[in-house]
Amino acid sequence: GENVEQHPSTLSVQEGDSAVIKCTYSDSASNYFPWYKQELGKRPQLIIDIRSNVGEKKDQRIAVTLNKTAKHFSLHITETQPEDSAVYFCAARITGFQKLVFGTGTRLLVSP
Amino acid sequence: EAGVAQSPRYKIIEKRQSVAFWCNPISGHATLYWYQQILGQGPKLLIQFQNNGVVDDSQLPKDRFSAERLKGVDSTLKIQPAKLEDSAVYLCASSLDAWEEKLFFGSGTQLSVL
Repeated sequence: GENVEQHPSTLSVQEGDSAVIKCTYSDSASNYFPWYKQELGKRPQLIIDIRSNVGEKKDQRIAVTLNKTAKHFSLHITETQPEDSAVYFCAARITGFQKLVFGTGTRLLVSP
Repeated sequence: EAGVAQSPRYKIIEKRQSVAFWCNPISGHATLYWYQQILGQGPKLLIQFQNNGVVDDSQLPKDRFSAERLKGVDSTLKIQPAKLEDSAVYLCASSLDAWEEKLFFGSGTQLSVL
């Protein structure tokens, strides 16, 4: 089955800096890669996703890149703000009747 | 659009007791998921329903956990008897169907087993 590894487990940056979180997956058939943001005590919320037919996707300060050959994908947050502080989870799945497998999470702390 | 509803929000029980969680997915969503999130870890799928049928329950501890979605809408997850290691947040999620990638999560039920 699919296995997703995520690094780093914690990341501290200064406000305005960039933050990068990296994930690797094991199943080359996976074709959908979402990123979720989870604030303390709240539900995971989808912030950006990418499909395997695209190498990069950007939404304002957030971007995701995918390298299918190396089986890894990354979340990039530019101009970080204190409200970006949260736990971020990557995930991977094969569309259809295959489960979404999550990484272990990265706790991002943005200091003012 | 109303989101995924879950109840209760918190539950504290003693080991060996029983507990049940309820989930009402977004209207029209055929696929419903129950995830277990242990503190400091990513969510782990327990069971996935497509309408009222089970698609994947490979990681559901069937000796103590059960789930049903009888009318293909809301769902109940039960633990009987609970163990200390069941302490976690139980998240329900739904998607339009199994081919729709986007999952929408409920706020979860935080279970503490003492």
